[in-house]
Amino acid sequence: EAEVAQSPRYKITEKSQAVAFWCDPISGHATLYWYRQILGQGPELLVQFQDESVVDDSQLPKDRFSAERLKGVDSTLKIQPAELGDSAMYLCASSQVGPRRDEQFFGPGTRLTVL
Amino acid sequence: RKEVEQDPGPFNVPEGATVAFNCTYSNSASQSFFWYRQDCRKEPKLLMSVYSSGNEDGRFTAQLNRASQYISLLIRDSKLSDSATYLCVVSSRGGRRALTFGSGTRLQVQP
Repeated sequence: EAEVAQSPRYKITEKSQAVAFWCDPISGHATLYWYRQILGQGPELLVQFQDESVVDDSQLPKDRFSAERLKGVDSTLKIQPAELGDSAMYLCASSQVGPRRDEQFFGPGTRLTVL
Repeated sequence: RKEVEQDPGPFNVPEGATVAFNCTYSNSASQSFFWYRQDCRKEPKLLMSVYSSGNEDGRFTAQLNRASQYISLLIRDSKLSDSATYLCVVSSRGGRRALTFGSGTRLQVQP
């Protein structure tokens, strides 16, 4: 069964350092999402891509976060500089176009700890 | 007010019990509705979509009341393996089809 791949699975960093997360969606899925999930809460959208274009980045803290999906396939989310409050699970999800476009499939996530 | 609200629980029930979770959403433009299951420290996984006519998948029944903006999930004959957090999720109309999640309801099924 096709899966969304993410790496690294765990990342520990010190505040003010730069971190980067990678996501490879299910093959053929045009839409890619990055979510952040703080412990005890549901995931919250950071950025949505349709192919290589950003559809929604209204909740992305653009002073420190950036995301790209240059060839419309895999994607990178970067934080620079990291802050203590960025400690969370970062989840990537993808979905296909067509009738089942609302069904999103999640990767295993990257758990970030900022010290 | 959060866009999707759920009782956080935890719900502690014995094996074999029937348990119901409720959820309300505030955006009347919401178009699609789901229940996701999330095990501890794992990613959310789609449990079932929710339709206006109601739908059932084995021991799980989901219902939607658009007029009241209310979604429910019923689990019959609870199993130990049902222990997880259940996330109520809505998707809005239009090109931006990102999901809006509730904070989740934690279920603990006890032997």
